[in-house]
Order: sequence, then C-alpha cells, then structure tokens
Amino acid sequence: GAVVSQHPSWVICKSGTSVKIECRSLDFQATTMFWYRQFPKQSLMLMATSNEGSKATYEQGVEKDKFLINHASLTLSTLTVTSAHPEDSSFYICSASQGASSYEQYFGPGTRLTVT
Amino acid sequence: QKEVEQDPGPLSVPEGAIVSLNCTYSNSAFQYFMWYRQYSRKGPELLMYTYSSGNKEDGRFTAQVDKSSKYISLFIRDSQPSDSATYLCAMSEGYGQNFVFGPGTRLSVLP
Repeated sequence: GAVVSQHPSWVICKSGTSVKIECRSLDFQATTMFWYRQFPKQSLMLMATSNEGSKATYEQGVEKDKFLINHASLTLSTLTVTSAHPEDSSFYICSASQGASSYEQYFGPGTRLTVT
Repeated sequence: QKEVEQDPGPLSVPEGAIVSLNCTYSNSAFQYFMWYRQYSRKGPELLMYTYSSGNKEDGRFTAQVDKSSKYISLFIRDSQPSDSATYLCAMSEGYGQNFVFGPGTRLSVLP
C-alpha cells in the first residue's frame, strides 16, 4: 500500500516552454502533497506544500508564478514549471501524506527535468 | 552554519562491515528524526523514525538520537551491496511540521 506515482519520469523540454508533472497517490487519499527539488549531490529541498482544494504554500525563495501547483483532488497534484530555463533542470520529487501531519510521507519516484 | 549537516561521503565499506552514518544539527527544537534511503534516480524511502532521544532498532538498522549533543546516527550491521545508496537524515520540529533534510551520505558496500 501507500504507493505514489509520478509522470513523466523523465522529460526534456526547450527553454521557454512549460512542463507539467503529475503526482498521484494510487491507493490512498492524500490530504497533503509536498513538492521537492533535488539538484545533483544536494539534498531534497521542499518547494511547496499543497492541501487538497487549497492554494499551495510555497517555501521562501520559490517563485509561485513559475512553479504552479494544483491539488484538485485527493489523489492528484500537478506541478507546472512555466517558461522553463536551463537552471530549472533538476530532479523533482513529490510526496503524499494521508493525514494532516507531514510525518508519514510516501515519496514518488521523481521526475528528471532537463531544459535545453 | 547549515541547519543540518551530514558528511557527504562517499563512504566505501566491504560487505559485512558495520556502517555508521551521522548528522548534526543546530535547531534544538527538532523533535522528530528520520532516516531515508535513496537509490539512484529514485525517490527517498523512509527507513527509520525516532521521536526525541533514544535508540530504535529494526533488523540490521539502528537509529540513535542524542539531543543533548544535537547528533543522530544510523548504524547498519552486516552491510550488503544492496545497501549501496544515499542516506538522508531529516528532522522536524513537531507533528505536522515540515522536514529539514541533510545533504545525504553516499554509501557503497563492496562485495
């Protein structure tokens, strides 16, 4: 149980285009979903927290207009990287939590974004 | 000073060795301590979770928390090549609070 999927697993896009990444909880309802970014040899950095039906809460330094997060249902959250640039190339990982706490998070496999 | 520090490694050990992975932190408000294992190109998976100080054992893994020293450890006994991964520590101030991650330690267990 507690499986989280992400799609796509790997995407290459041209600079200036937008990319949407989906995060789905397959066998549970995710009250809260988290989006992280990981650069090579760096740790996971939390970008934003989203609760179903509410606006996402972004961490300091994360541009909300560039990284659009939608959590329209209890099983799906999307992250859209708008007007992507090469510096946005990174590994994006989502996680989902069944409850209000972030303690028991289930991570997706990640999406590798390369912007050329 | 970073909030959570971790030796990035890489750490190479022979199969069967005891591995010690450590993190230090500066925020005395941290109460929840987690260890994650991340294989290459995969998302992290939760290995161990400890609340406040003390030890916790699960199979070959033992987690220790010393809040007085702001120091946590993960021990792996009888290490296996399949343990080769990056190990991330993570901490939280409280139930429902977000995590702060260490940068991760890359471990290689050689057969």
